[in-house]
Amino acid sequence: GEDVEQSLFLSVREGDSSVINCTYTDSSSTYLYWYKQEPGAGLQLLTYIFSNMDMKQDQRLTVLLNKKDKHLSLRIADTQTGDSAIYFCAEGAAGNKLTFGGGTRVLVKP
Amino acid sequence: DVKVTQSSRYLVKRTGEKVFLECVQDMDHENMFWYRQDPGLGLRLIYFSYDVKMKEKGDIPEGYSVSREKKERFSLILESASTNQTSMYLCASRAGTGGNYTFGSGTRLTVV
Repeated sequence: GEDVEQSLFLSVREGDSSVINCTYTDSSSTYLYWYKQEPGAGLQLLTYIFSNMDMKQDQRLTVLLNKKDKHLSLRIADTQTGDSAIYFCAEGAAGNKLTFGGGTRVLVKP
Repeated sequence: DVKVTQSSRYLVKRTGEKVFLECVQDMDHENMFWYRQDPGLGLRLIYFSYDVKMKEKGDIPEGYSVSREKKERFSLILESASTNQTSMYLCASRAGTGGNYTFGSGTRLTVV
């Protein structure tokens, strides 16, 4: 079955860039997503990328996709304390369902 | 904006109770999903539905059932709650033509 892997934790200083990495196994993935979850809240879609793209930029967010290596990353420029959250990578392939990674907890230190 | 509303933020139930978790969406989406979220495991799909009265098992359906009698409402049922079902439950919906998934705020269920 599909598998999506992320590191568990990332600590970064305010103002630095954060890079969250994700690997997936399903080569038929059509869309790859990044979601953000703040404490006590549901998931908020941050951005997504089609599998035929290799980069997408949206303000402070840059998504890079290496389809050959099945590697996805999310870079957050000028990280702020409000960026502290859990970030989930997800891939959508077969049918409608999404497969999620375990989430990366990002802690931004002042 | 699409809204996905889960009826309860927090629930505490006893072992063996029958538990209903309700989810309502207001944008006429065909697809609805129930996930559970556990630390380090991410979100795992329990059941999903692509139309009224239709349902499909996800990755971890054991111990759960669902009901979709109306398009806007998707219920998750724990027939006999057990302590290992203590978790955060997240509902999501998506249009049948594609597009993004919208999540509810979650229901944190504790089974004692």
